[in-house]
Amino acid sequence: ETGVTQSPTHLIKTRGQQVTLRCSSQSGHNTVSWYQQALGQGPQFIFQYYREEENGRGNFPPRFSGLQFPNYSSELNVNALELDDSALYLCASSPELWGVDEQFFGPGTRLTVL
Amino acid sequence: DQQVKQNSPSLSVQEGRISILNCDYTNSMFDYFLWYKKYPAEGPTFLISISSIKDKNEDGRFTVFLNKSAKHLSLHIVPSQPGDSAVYFCAASANTGNQFYFGTGTSLTVIP
Repeated sequence: ETGVTQSPTHLIKTRGQQVTLRCSSQSGHNTVSWYQQALGQGPQFIFQYYREEENGRGNFPPRFSGLQFPNYSSELNVNALELDDSALYLCASSPELWGVDEQFFGPGTRLTVL
Repeated sequence: DQQVKQNSPSLSVQEGRISILNCDYTNSMFDYFLWYKKYPAEGPTFLISISSIKDKNEDGRFTVFLNKSAKHLSLHIVPSQPGDSAVYFCAASANTGNQFYFGTGTSLTVIP
């Protein structure tokens, strides 16, 4: 097992741009969730994918979208970046939908929007 | 709306003593609760969980207590060790299981 990895580690964008963040889940993990953690806050659930289908979404606008691929990698795309999108973005993978105790987080991507 | 609250941003405890971290929630539909520990530059790691059918769960030095009537849970660490110094998040989920609501975290410092 290689754990959950995320790229890039840090990213700086300007308002209005688009960004793609990547996550590589542990092999065999069919579920990936994405979270946004603003400074001084706890992680907020963005959405979850299970076997390449969206399986739940938090209170985030449609300009936040995602993809999950058969090779256990996934992407978070954010269009029309706003200053408030500056945050740490975490992905977490687990083997199945109900294995919440087995959810493993990546180290995150720090996004700064100027 | 913050459905899970950790009202103490920080806590300092002497090594060997008990650390008590608190968490309150507002949604009565929450039935599964977890604690995560986070070191700088790392993602949160799962620590311990409890379902609403229990009021206590113990794992080594870590014990989580759940008081459903008060919508309150707490994490006890006994004895506290310097390696326990980290940010602790509580999280809660309703029976859908896939969306977790996190608190804002408590930064624990264990003083040697």
